[in-house]
Amino acid sequence: EVHLVESGGGLVQPGGSLRLSCAASGFNFSTSWMHWVRQDPGKGLVWVSRIKGDGTMTTYADSVKGRFSISRDNAKNTVYLQMNSLRVEDTAMYYCVKGPNPFRNWGQGTPVTVST
Amino acid sequence: DTQMTQSPSSLSASVGDRVTITCQASQDIKKFLNWFQLKPGKAPKLLIYDKSNLETGVPSRFSGSGSGTHFTFIISSLQPEDVATYYCQQYDTLPITFGQGTRLEIK
Repeated sequence: EVHLVESGGGLVQPGGSLRLSCAASGFNFSTSWMHWVRQDPGKGLVWVSRIKGDGTMTTYADSVKGRFSISRDNAKNTVYLQMNSLRVEDTAMYYCVKGPNPFRNWGQGTPVTVST
Repeated sequence: DTQMTQSPSSLSASVGDRVTITCQASQDIKKFLNWFQLKPGKAPKLLIYDKSNLETGVPSRFSGSGSGTHFTFIISSLQPEDVATYYCQQYDTLPITFGQGTRLEIK
């Protein structure tokens, strides 16, 4: 059974940084695309980033390009989202999702709050 | 980017009612349209994939149809446990985009 567990969320001031982690199990992690999707409060779901199984290809939403960085450690079955220069509008629940589409497997999410 | 226009944004219906949600894509996305259910404190749940395929384990009262740019999601007989927010999602082109969501309540 696929299991995804996010961690690393919390409260941070604007301009600060956080690193989210997603520990995966129950599938062949090193061959799977992994994605981050966030749910903005009062808004909806927004796709953030993805990374190929071998880590050689990454893609980002325009809203986070240059500030966020996705990476993975296949030896640890973990994907990361390094978030720098955080803005108030980055406040959201962040979900780790197993690819490819359709997105069948989601973690429970980790909350990020950017506020003074 | 492919914009997904979902309507209505909220909906109130009675148990047993037929509920319809629509999603309009700003360009042809072929069949690459999924529907998700979100409940507070729970991970999003895939209900319908590739416009009309019912995900394993999902009740048959949920269905999807459409093609190209216009898609429809139907709950044939609303149940109390269907209270949730529903989202369409396209994955034909990057960035993957979602509709704005439909908040469904019981009357």
